[in-house]
This record gives sequence, structure tokens and C-alpha cells, in this order.
Amino acid sequence: DGGITQSPKYLFRKEGQNVTLSCEQNLNHDAMYWYRQDPGQGLRLIYYSQIVNDFQKGDIAEGYSVSREKKESFPLTVTSAQKNPTAFYLCASSMRTSRIEAFFGQGTRLTVV
Amino acid sequence: QQQVKQSPQSLIVQKGGISIINCAYENTAFDYFPWYQQFPGKGPALLIAIRPDVSEKKEGRFTISFNKSAKQFSLHIMDSQPGDSATYFCAASPPGNTPLVFGKGTRLSVIA
Repeated sequence: DGGITQSPKYLFRKEGQNVTLSCEQNLNHDAMYWYRQDPGQGLRLIYYSQIVNDFQKGDIAEGYSVSREKKESFPLTVTSAQKNPTAFYLCASSMRTSRIEAFFGQGTRLTVV
Repeated sequence: QQQVKQSPQSLIVQKGGISIINCAYENTAFDYFPWYQQFPGKGPALLIAIRPDVSEKKEGRFTISFNKSAKQFSLHIMDSQPGDSATYFCAASPPGNTPLVFGKGTRLSVIA
């Protein structure tokens, strides 16, 4: 089955630790995105990548980093510099020519204690 | 200019009623307007979308109405059902290879 897989579903980390969230897609999509979702805040764009080895900052990139070494994979690292990392993180992908049809993963809920 | 304003933030509708969610935008260069539906603990999924040269699009019980001159669009859910209870996001597609701009979401509860 084609789709986007985010892992893990739940993640707990201690304050001050970096943590990496995984996102893999087998849809052969060019573009991939990371969003953060907080109650009442909607979907806020963290980073996006249109092609391999290239990515751009979104609206709230501070405290996050990404890499795009393979078309299928777009991991997100939440660094210790992110002041408020507890949130629901969503990965998405789309064809570059049809970005409105973004397919989302099931999300990772990160809790930092 | 890149914002999409969505209202209401939350909505409670009786079973069988009509749910209406509204969105407004400023950037006239937006060229596509999708709606996403998200159930708790899941990722959003594309529900229905419309281009700005169309005033209305209907898919089953879901209808998008688009008013280009007012720069507004809305989602109507006819005969709302408890299974429609979810968070709905409107979005707009900027020109070029830039990501969708999302509204802040509307949490819909359909009660029996």
C-alpha cells in the first residue's frame, strides 16, 4: 500500500535532548513537508523540501532541522533550542505539480518532560 | 497577504442539520482552495477542492461555495452526521512551488 509512514506514534524525551522524527513515503512524491499542530493554532509549516538535497524554512523553523538525502525520506530533528517542543507533528508529501493534494502521515505526538 | 482566516473555531450542529464553515483570504493570486478533514489522532485528509473560476462544487453531502469578488469560500455539510465530527481545515494554494496556506481549523461536533 502506498502512503506516508511516521514513526514513532508517541515519543517522550527529556528536556534538553535532541530527538529525530521519522517520515517515509512510497508515493514517489517530489515534495515533502513538516507541520506542527497545537490546539487552536492550525497547521504551522516548519520545513519543506521540493527535491532531494534541497529544503526551505517554513514559518516556524527555529529550533528544528531537516535533511533530504533520499526522495522517500524527510526526517525532522527537534533540537534543544526549540523552546516549546511538545506538540503533534505531521509529515506530508505531494507531487510538485499538484501540491494541493498533500497526503499526510498519521502524526507523531512528542512530549518533552 | 498569505493568511487564510477561518471561522468559527468550533461548531456544534444537530444531527441532520447543515454545518457551515467559512474562510476568507486576501491574496488574489491563490489558485486552488482545498478543504481537509482531520479525525482525532490522525493526519488530515483531502476532502474536496475548488478552483477560483468555479462558484460551487458538490461531492455528496459536501459543497464548497466560492465567492471570488468577496474573497471568501465556505464548506457546507448537508445532513450532518455524528461521523462528520472532526476538525476541518480550509487551505489556499499560492502560485509557484510554495506550500499550501492553512486556516486555523474548525472543530465540528455533530450531536444526536
